[in-house]
Amino acid sequence: EDQVTQSPEALRLQEGESSSLNCSYTVSGLRGLFWYRQDPGKGPEFLFTLYSAGEEKEKERLKATLTKKESFLHITAPKPEDSATYLCAVQYNAGGTSYGKLTFGQGTILTVHP
Amino acid sequence: NAGVTQTPKFQVLKTGQSMTLQCAQDMNHEYMSWYRQDPGMGLRLIHYSVGAGITDQGEVPNGYNVSRSTTEDFPLRLLSAAPSQTSVYFCASRYRGRSTDTQYFGPGTRLTVL
Repeated sequence: EDQVTQSPEALRLQEGESSSLNCSYTVSGLRGLFWYRQDPGKGPEFLFTLYSAGEEKEKERLKATLTKKESFLHITAPKPEDSATYLCAVQYNAGGTSYGKLTFGQGTILTVHP
Repeated sequence: NAGVTQTPKFQVLKTGQSMTLQCAQDMNHEYMSWYRQDPGMGLRLIHYSVGAGITDQGEVPNGYNVSRSTTEDFPLRLLSAAPSQTSVYFCASRYRGRSTDTQYFGPGTRLTVL
């Protein structure tokens, strides 16, 4: 069963058209939720880590929020250079060395047209 | 400060051949991980390490071995390559502090098994 689900799979926006990406999780004992950006042919680039429900973090046009069941990545007035795949991942407590691993969603492909 | 480096960038193997993908980090991070990324499958964890001498299996460990003799290096060994191991492989290094948790990815190794 999926533990981390991202939606939509793909999103097309016009420049300046704000929207949100969703990351829902079903794990218990969440210890952290992570957002990454990945450009074609490159490794993922870290954006944010959120630790508890109600927490919010911002970076330029991006704002990440966290509830007990999901996280949103809000993109305000996007530009074409925001086009990328956005990945979320969770770290949860499953005993042993589980604190050392992250479980990723499948990503949302964002395209921003000028 | 090079961050996370991976070699080689590209590799073509024949079925049954063995090889080692190299990964090194110069940030003195305790945690390191190996992922594979396939179209439509997202990032899947192969093996991870929470410190020198400590490794554990991720979601898809079969056909791969790892070791962590130093903090800096975390090589991934393919024992007998199979076409199903054709993928892009990413190594990651992670810092987990009291109030911050950040993971950095290398540029990836693109592996083709014929």
